[in-house]
This record gives sequence, C-alpha cells and structure tokens, in this order.
Amino acid sequence: SQQGEEDPQALSIQEGENATMNCSYKTSINNLQWYRQNSGRGLVHLILIRSNEREKHSGRLRVTLDTSKKSSSLLITASRAADTASYFCATASSSNTGKLIFGQGTTLQVKP
Amino acid sequence: EPEVTQTPSHQVTQMGQEVILRCVPISNHLYFYWYRQILGQKVEFLVSFYNNEISEKSEIFDDQFSVERPDGSNFTLKIRSTKLEDSAMYFCASRMSPFDSGGQETQYFGPGTRLLVL
Repeated sequence: SQQGEEDPQALSIQEGENATMNCSYKTSINNLQWYRQNSGRGLVHLILIRSNEREKHSGRLRVTLDTSKKSSSLLITASRAADTASYFCATASSSNTGKLIFGQGTTLQVKP
Repeated sequence: EPEVTQTPSHQVTQMGQEVILRCVPISNHLYFYWYRQILGQKVEFLVSFYNNEISEKSEIFDDQFSVERPDGSNFTLKIRSTKLEDSAMYFCASRMSPFDSGGQETQYFGPGTRLLVL
C-alpha cells in the first residue's frame, strides 16, 4: 500500500502568503515527519509529530495530524523565496525498525 | 551540529561494475538506513541496520546489495554488479533511539551520493 501521499503536487504562491501542503497515509503510524529537499540536494528534517499529538509548531511551521482521517498538513506561514523547495511527508510505522515511507512530495515555488 | 556525511557526492560507473557508497552516521546513533531516490521520483526505503545486522529490507534490496558497518564509524552500501536502473541518489540516514524515547526518533539524512550507471 502507498503511504504519505501529498497534495497538491505543485504549489506556486507569492512571498508573504501562507503555503499549506497535505499528506495522507493508509496504515497505522508511530510518527510522521516532514522533510524539505532543495533541487537535487539532501533531505532536511523539518518537524516530527507523534501519533498521540495533534498539532506542533516550529518557527513558521505548523503541522497537524488527524489519525482518524490518516492525514497531516504542513503550513508554512509568511513564506519567503528561500522556502522554494520540495516538501515530503514520511511515515514511520509501529515496527521498531523505524523505516520511513515517503510520499511523492509537493513542489513549492515562492515568487519574490 | 553533528551531521551525517556521505562520500562520494557523485559516482559514475559502468554497468556490471561494483560500487561502494560510504556514510558516516551521527556518532551516538544506533539505527542506520539507506534510501534511494530515482530522478523525479519519491524516496524509497532500501534497508535498516541495527546492532550489526539488517533489521528490515525492501524488495529493492536484492542479492546485489549488501551493507556493512566495518568499524565504529562507517556504514557502507555495496552494489555488486550495477545495472542502469540503479542510477539514483542514495541517501544514508541515522537515528538515535527506539520510539517513544523523548524525541530521539528523528532520522537525519546525509547529503546523498548521486550514482550514474552507464
């Protein structure tokens, strides 16, 4: 089964606007993590939310998790041109190996 | 701040050749992973490694792949006989602790090795 499917696939906004990306998954999870990837580069960890948490903040980032709907959202407030990147959600199952299952990602473009 | 490092950053090889990708995980981490990302596609799990053995592997991780932690710091991925479809970005990741251990579940990724098989 597929996990961590994001929508939209691509998002283009103006600097200063908020960007919201959504992620859905199918199986039970231990936690959900959001990562950022600049074009052709490595994965930078943004935030982790556990299955018993509903909302988490980190700077301009806000993540929500709804385990009943098996979905999560990432909100970036007051976006900047430097936020232009691909954003991935990744789910970790209850197995202790901790492997992450990634979604296809959302490509965000923030226009100056 | 500690980080996962990977070498080389780029590798070009001929089909059928062996390649070894190297990673140095964060020093006090206990769980190690390899993932790959084919150009334009999502990141895929290959293998997890804990306590000097493979704890889980995906269908992609067939007999052509192997992992090793030869010393206390390096973690390697070997592809014995590369195929064209092995061309991808390979990411190493590490994690400190098991789940529910006070926020240590985060996986930290290295910058990746871009492998091109010709």
